[in-house]
Amino acid sequence: GEQVEQRPPHLSVREGDSAVITCTYTDPNSYYFFWYKQEPGASLQLLMKVFSSTEINEGQGFTVLLNKKDKRLSLNLTAAHPGDSAAYFCAVSDSSGSWQLIFGSGTQLTVMP
Amino acid sequence: DAGVTQTPRHEVAEKGQTIILKCEPVSGHNDLFWYRQTKIQGLELLSYFRSKSLMEDGGAFKDRFKAEMLNSSFSTLKIQPTEPKDSAVYLCASSLGQGAYEQYFGPGTRLTVL
Repeated sequence: GEQVEQRPPHLSVREGDSAVITCTYTDPNSYYFFWYKQEPGASLQLLMKVFSSTEINEGQGFTVLLNKKDKRLSLNLTAAHPGDSAAYFCAVSDSSGSWQLIFGSGTQLTVMP
Repeated sequence: DAGVTQTPRHEVAEKGQTIILKCEPVSGHNDLFWYRQTKIQGLELLSYFRSKSLMEDGGAFKDRFKAEMLNSSFSTLKIQPTEPKDSAVYLCASSLGQGAYEQYFGPGTRLTVL
């Protein structure tokens, strides 16, 4: 079945710097990809949903890139600020039709002032 | 529109007790998921229901964990008997299903087993 590897597990950047989190997956038939944000003590909040037909998706203060050839999904926070400090999880849909999501192990991002 | 609700938010149990966690999915969602979240293991899928039918029963969690969905708007997760290693945050999520894969998560229940 699908396997998702997320790197790095921990990331510290200074305010204003960019932060990049990457996930690699194994199933070339995967079609839907997700990024979730989890602030301390809170639950997972959907950040963005990406279809495999679109390679670049921009949100508020971040960009999601999908490289289907390398089976790599990345989240790039541009000009990070302390409010971005949180855990980030990627998730990939199971292409077998079960509609389950396979989650990465998470990245704890700390943005220092 | 109300999101996923979970009760209680915090639960403290003695080893060997039975505890029941509750979840109400987003109205109209067909799929419901129970996860356990720990720092070491990350997110682990415990159970998955589609239109109230159990699709995934949690594999290694089967012996002491039992999830039920008696109607489309309510699910429970029973842990019996509890053990200290069950201390974790238990998350419930729901999805529209039918090709819409994004899951919406509840606030979670933090369980501490002494």
